Amino acid sequence: AQSVTQLGSHVSVSEGALVLLRCNYSSSVPPYLFWYVQYPNQGLQLLLKYTTGATLVKGINGFEAEFKKSETSFHLTKPSAHMSDAAEYFCAVSFTGNYGGSQGNLIFGKGTKLSVKP
Amino acid sequence: GAGVSQSPSNKVTEKGKDVELRCDPISGHTALYWYRQRLGQGLEFLIYFQGNSAPDKSGLPSDRFSAERTGESVSTLTIQRTQQEDSAVYLCASSFAGIGAETQYFGPGTRLLVL
Repeated sequence: AQSVTQLGSHVSVSEGALVLLRCNYSSSVPPYLFWYVQYPNQGLQLLLKYTTGATLVKGINGFEAEFKKSETSFHLTKPSAHMSDAAEYFCAVSFTGNYGGSQGNLIFGKGTKLSVKP
Repeated sequence: GAGVSQSPSNKVTEKGKDVELRCDPISGHTALYWYRQRLGQGLEFLIYFQGNSAPDKSGLPSDRFSAERTGESVSTLTIQRTQQEDSAVYLCASSFAGIGAETQYFGPGTRLLVL
């Protein structure tokens, strides 16, 4: 069965430090991969996604992620954390066709809450 | 243009009561999804509508949950005889065609508390 694992429910970094949020997936078919961010009291917003092509994907607010098929990973990074990055981050997968549910249905990890210390 | 909207933003109800949650998708989006986010958990898929096709209800946790969608517009999620474990944030999302590579656009959610 398809699944998403996010290592670390809470990550704390200092302002200016590297942000690394880990995501691994389990899938028997090629996935589409997403990172969404949820700011306090707001809905989910897409940060970036991988569908095809270049495996290093750049998103909004300086975030990027690299799809590594051999490691079944899609870790999210940002070189220098900013206070405004404090939020909850969700990794998700979907597939072509009806794998794992409806066509286009997202399967989410449990989320990682990022805190940024001044 | 306008994003996905949901109402109410918050709902407090007593155990055993029925509740109805509403979602207005982005105009022109044929696909609509409902998800549930319980405290400390990721989002769980509930139900999917695509155009005029029969909805995929495979994620609904029990027969107390049902949803309807009028054409390609408003959707309502109904929970009958609410239980405390139904307390969660219910999120609606829409996308243009409902294929896997598409971005889903999420509403702000309805926070449901069952006392």
